[in-house]
Amino acid sequence: QLQLQESGPGLVKPSETLSLTCTVSGDSISTNSYFWGWIRQPPGKGLEWIGNIYYGVTTYYNPSLKSRVTISVDTSKSQFSLKLSSVTAADTAVYYCARLGKWLVPSWGQGTLVTVSS
Amino acid sequence: QSVLTQPPSASGTPGQRVTISCSGSSSNIGSNYVYWYQQLPGTAPRLLIYSNNQRPSGVPDRFSASKSGTSASLAISGLRSEDEADYYCAAWDDSLSGQVFGGGTKLTVL
Repeated sequence: QLQLQESGPGLVKPSETLSLTCTVSGDSISTNSYFWGWIRQPPGKGLEWIGNIYYGVTTYYNPSLKSRVTISVDTSKSQFSLKLSSVTAADTAVYYCARLGKWLVPSWGQGTLVTVSS
Repeated sequence: QSVLTQPPSASGTPGQRVTISCSGSSSNIGSNYVYWYQQLPGTAPRLLIYSNNQRPSGVPDRFSASKSGTSASLAISGLRSEDEADYYCAAWDDSLSGQVFGGGTKLTVL
């Protein structure tokens, strides 16, 4: 059974880089029919897709975040990662990692809260 | 602003039937599956509907959904107090190669 688990600092200072890792179990992160992605939800607000990585190489980002986002994969650890640079308080959110795809039932992790504050 | 459009709120009385709409475009709803999520206060979103109208195991058949063209809707019949939650529609978007969401609809059971 597929499981995704987010990990990383719960507190990040303004202007610094937010870094999160998602550990995948129960499926191969190398499977080329899946997109591995990140979704976030600021407190009291809606869901926002951040970006995906496909086949460990090709990345797709939300245009509103594209200049600050990097998603990468480490197949040897069955992990993929999110880096969001120059964070502000507006980046405070619960961050979810997910397995996504055009015709695929999405699977999400449980989410991790990241607060941006000095 | 969300890619998919939902009404911000909906309401109904216990036992009533309520529908929530979701509008998109040809690059998302028009050419891909629609998903619906339920988010109870303080919890992570729960997949309620997948592949336009399929319910995961454990989701009551009071929940149903449909899609037509670039719009979709979620219907909840026999409304219960425990249905009070936020509901989000979602779909794959071919122009982004990513998942897009509606802004969410807050359902109040009066």
